[in-house]
Amino acid sequence: ETGVTQSPTHLIKTRGQQVTLRCSSQSGHNTVSWYQQALGQGPQFIFQYYREEENGRGNFPPRFSGLQFPNYSSELNVNALELDDSALYLCASSLGLVGSSYEQYFGPGTRLTVT
Amino acid sequence: KNEVEQSPQNLTAQEGEFITINCSYSVGISALHWLQQHPGGGIVSLFMLSSGKKKHGRLIATINIQEKHSSLHITASHPRDSAVYICAPNAGGTSYGKLTFGQGTILTVHP
Repeated sequence: ETGVTQSPTHLIKTRGQQVTLRCSSQSGHNTVSWYQQALGQGPQFIFQYYREEENGRGNFPPRFSGLQFPNYSSELNVNALELDDSALYLCASSLGLVGSSYEQYFGPGTRLTVT
Repeated sequence: KNEVEQSPQNLTAQEGEFITINCSYSVGISALHWLQQHPGGGIVSLFMLSSGKKKHGRLIATINIQEKHSSLHITASHPRDSAVYICAPNAGGTSYGKLTFGQGTILTVHP
């Protein structure tokens, strides 16, 4: 069984640029959630995708957007990067909707630094 | 008031000690996760529970839905248990589909 993978591991971008982070879900999982974890803080929910449709969003501006593909891999896109976007970005996949008591499996994260 | 409160925020123990981390939450939930995060970021799901108790090796998690409280216990703690432990309830109802995270408990176990 393949676990959740994320790419890249680390990334450095300049303020104003755009970034795409990628997540490959665990085999068979149709739900992916993205989280932002600033240094020294707990993760914050960005959004969730279920079968290619957005299913819930946290308090993040529209410049944070996502996609889920038919193979259930996923992307997180952030436009017009700001210094405060520097964080660890985590994706987690599950077999079904999070509220229905399916366990989430986390990827190792992508550490984004915005200078 | 935060939706999820963990205590203690920092915990130092000697190898072999029994550890308890507490989590109280104010939202209605369908289930609650206990997560472990090592330096460098990777998060591992330790437990997901919606009632009663679960045990895995030296780890035990309990939850009382009526009291909105959960605990994570580590028996015979070991230095490799040193990590951040995070409580994350699954909100149900209109908040269907997201985890709310506690601020984490930093555990350091000394040999």
